[in-house]
Amino acid sequence: EDKVVQSPLSLVVHEGDTVTLNCSYEVTNFRSLLWYKQEKKAPTFLFMLTSSGIEKKSGRLSSILDKKELFSILNITATQTGDSAVYLCAVATMEYGNKLVFGAGTILRVKS
Amino acid sequence: DVKVTQSSRYLVKRTGEKVFLECVQDMDHENMFWYRQDPGLGLRLIYFSYDVKMKEKGDIPEGYSVSREKKERFSLILESASTNQTSMYLCASKGPLAYSYEQYFGPGTRLTVT
Repeated sequence: EDKVVQSPLSLVVHEGDTVTLNCSYEVTNFRSLLWYKQEKKAPTFLFMLTSSGIEKKSGRLSSILDKKELFSILNITATQTGDSAVYLCAVATMEYGNKLVFGAGTILRVKS
Repeated sequence: DVKVTQSSRYLVKRTGEKVFLECVQDMDHENMFWYRQDPGLGLRLIYFSYDVKMKEKGDIPEGYSVSREKKERFSLILESASTNQTSMYLCASKGPLAYSYEQYFGPGTRLTVT
């Protein structure tokens, strides 16, 4: 059975801190790993990672994939209160329709 | 910009009622998905559709059915709502490109069954 596990489940930090969110996976026919941010609305896409060791960056957010150890991390530097959200990790499989298998999410709260 | 809309943000229904959740996307996407999201469980796939009138069961299809009569519209049907179907329901769509796995999500419908 395909499985995606995120840790920690929740996290509280102060503004300016750096956080690392983890995502490990066990899936057959891996195609890609995606990160989404979800505030009180639709999840919004952050990154898609397909190759090992290549960091993707967008402002203060960055992410990298390790296909040998089957995990990914999402880093957020200099956190702001606007970073408070649920961060979702999902793995795309080769199955018809390229279904996504989601982890439970990490709830991040940034205190001012 | 891709836009995925869902018919209601909040819905309250009684046990045993038939419930329709509608989803519309404006990007001519082939693939559409219905998920439910529960605390601690993440998003779980209920059904998906890869073309008009085509559907596939996801991981938790029991108690649900779907309809895709037009490419832009994908409906989720709860034949006889039960309290354990109280949840957030999210619709998503995805284009046909083989190398792009990003799904675009609607704002969600929070359904309460009493």
